[in-house]
Amino acid sequence: EPEVTQTPSHQVTQMGQEVILRCVPISNHLYFYWYRQILGQKVEFLVSFYNNEISEKSEIFDDQFSVERPDGSNFTLKIRSTKLEDSAMYFCASTPLAGGYEQYFGPGTRLTVT
Amino acid sequence: GNSVTQMEGPVTLSEEAFLTINCTYTATGYPSLFWYVQYPGEGLQLLLKATKADDKGSNKGFEATYRKETTSFHLEKGSVQVSDSAVYFCALTPGNTGGFKTIFGAGTRLFVKA
Repeated sequence: EPEVTQTPSHQVTQMGQEVILRCVPISNHLYFYWYRQILGQKVEFLVSFYNNEISEKSEIFDDQFSVERPDGSNFTLKIRSTKLEDSAMYFCASTPLAGGYEQYFGPGTRLTVT
Repeated sequence: GNSVTQMEGPVTLSEEAFLTINCTYTATGYPSLFWYVQYPGEGLQLLLKATKADDKGSNKGFEATYRKETTSFHLEKGSVQVSDSAVYFCALTPGNTGGFKTIFGAGTRLFVKA
């Protein structure tokens, strides 16, 4: 069964450094998403992406964040200058179509900012 | 706005006990409703879904019915097992009028004792 993959599984970085989290969505899916989960808290929406542009973003997704689909398979989340509070699990998700369809989540990348 | 409220945990049950985790939602339009499960150290897995009023989603002995009149989507299982110990998230996708991101509840941790 096809699945969403994410790399790395765990990333440790120092405050102020740039990080790029990578995701490979399911191949025939059209909508892509990033979510984060701070330890012990709820899963929060960051951004959705369709047709090579952001379709929706949350208040969390400020100028420090950016997303890109650099080729036909990868979907990346970049944090330009990490803060301690960016430490969280980051989940990528994809859907074949918008609305009404469950999102297929990747296993997540645990980001630790020291 | 769109939001999901679910009962606080943790919920501790003995094996073979009956499980109910309450979930209510607020949404504009006609959302799709989901239950996701997160096992320790793992990502999010879709447990079940319902896309319209009175639909019943079911999987692995778990059930939930989309109740529009009470804006609820309570999760039930007749006989829990130790392997059901996990965090359960109620979630919705608003749909056309509210976007296609998934909005999660805070999660309910379930412990099942042998």
